[in-house]
Amino acid sequence: GAGVSQTPSNKVTEKGKYVELRCDPISGHTALYWYRQSLGQGPEFLIYFQGTGAADDSGLPNDRFFAVRPEGSVSTLKIQRTERGDSAVYLCASRLGLMNTEAFFGQGTRLTVV
Amino acid sequence: AQKVTQAQTEISVVEKEDVTLDCVYETRDTTYYLFWYKQPPSGELVFLIRRNSFDEQNEISGRYSWNFQKSTSSFNFTITASQVVDSAVYFCALSESGGTYKYIFGTGTRLKVLA
Repeated sequence: GAGVSQTPSNKVTEKGKYVELRCDPISGHTALYWYRQSLGQGPEFLIYFQGTGAADDSGLPNDRFFAVRPEGSVSTLKIQRTERGDSAVYLCASRLGLMNTEAFFGQGTRLTVV
Repeated sequence: AQKVTQAQTEISVVEKEDVTLDCVYETRDTTYYLFWYKQPPSGELVFLIRRNSFDEQNEISGRYSWNFQKSTSSFNFTITASQVVDSAVYFCALSESGGTYKYIFGTGTRLKVLA
């Protein structure tokens, strides 16, 4: 597609439920990132994929968070046993290859845990 | 450790005024990259500029200009003759060479341009 696409744009879920957030990067972009943005804060790094593998998952807050990118394109961020503190905007970004070019961001998924 | 500081939480200006957004960074790397992004109410982060640590030339793009000074670890962003459409949250970000090139963002500056 023309840009990074994230679905859903909004997700409301009950505490304790499982959610999946999807990211469709720009075609041909091998690098994919997930960030989390809390209200009034800058985005914080969660996980980085180069191709299919998670090259850096140091930003995942705990083991309730997991992400996959099985075919090196679409990625899914999975959150188990959601907590109210997980409420935030989850942003996905993609970048072309290994060079430090700029990353392009999607519009994010606003997750609200009630 | 890497860190980006945007001390200005919110700035309000009247249309046509010039405004400068400050960004101060910390890194131990000699090679690094600095970025500015704009986040309008729609939420998407829009890329504005990238600057490499070895290139201290200032840059101008239309009404936008950037002043990179390694001596003070600053990468400030000036909007000349601001317009209402410039109203957004602006983020400065740092990325180190090698590895993942993940971003360290500042907390952002909310710019309000009043008509």
